[in-house]
Amino acid sequence: AQTVTQSQPEMSVQEAETVTLSCTYDTSESDYYLFWYKQPPSRQMILVIRQEAYKQQNATENRFSVNFQKAAKSFSLKISDSQLGDAAMYFCAYRVNTNAGKSTFGDGTTLTVKP
Amino acid sequence: NAGVTQTPKFRVLKTGQSMTLLCAQDMNHEYMYWYRQDPGMGLRLIHYSVGEGTTAKGEVPDGYNVSRLKKQNFLLGLESAAPSQTSVYFCASTPQGYYGYTFGSGTRLTVV
Repeated sequence: AQTVTQSQPEMSVQEAETVTLSCTYDTSESDYYLFWYKQPPSRQMILVIRQEAYKQQNATENRFSVNFQKAAKSFSLKISDSQLGDAAMYFCAYRVNTNAGKSTFGDGTTLTVKP
Repeated sequence: NAGVTQTPKFRVLKTGQSMTLLCAQDMNHEYMYWYRQDPGMGLRLIHYSVGEGTTAKGEVPDGYNVSRLKKQNFLLGLESAAPSQTSVYFCASTPQGYYGYTFGSGTRLTVV
């Protein structure tokens, strides 16, 4: 079974600084997708960024970027110029391409942004 | 666009009572899912559906049933609620497997 591990239950960052959240996964598949979701205190889950395993280029979305290391099975999220609104729980998720779209989620990292 | 709508948002049940959680999406998505979120445990898949009239078990299906009679609706039922089913329940949908999920806002269920 695939597993997703987020080894940092809590992280904090100063406003305007950069922070990296870690995620590792275990799989024997070669064709899969990786995601980061954000869950603010409102509880609403929001997709932040997506990475396709067959693409070597790291995905970026404005201030959010990933460092995808396929051989190491690592998928970290970098948040640049952190803002107070970035404070949330972040979940890493994995999905095999042919598995009915089912995702496996990590346990989450709570990010605090200090003014 | 409403996206994914879950009702109710909050509910308190007594042990042994039954209830149905409704998930409705207006994006014509094929795939729909029910997850539960417990403190420190991330999201765990309860049941899912890959199209109208289809359902399948996820990681933690015991004590739950689902139905998808219409493409836009995915219902989660608790036949006899137990305190262990106290959780936050999320519905999600996606057009195909390689897109990210669109989530509902969640239902906080407490079983006493």
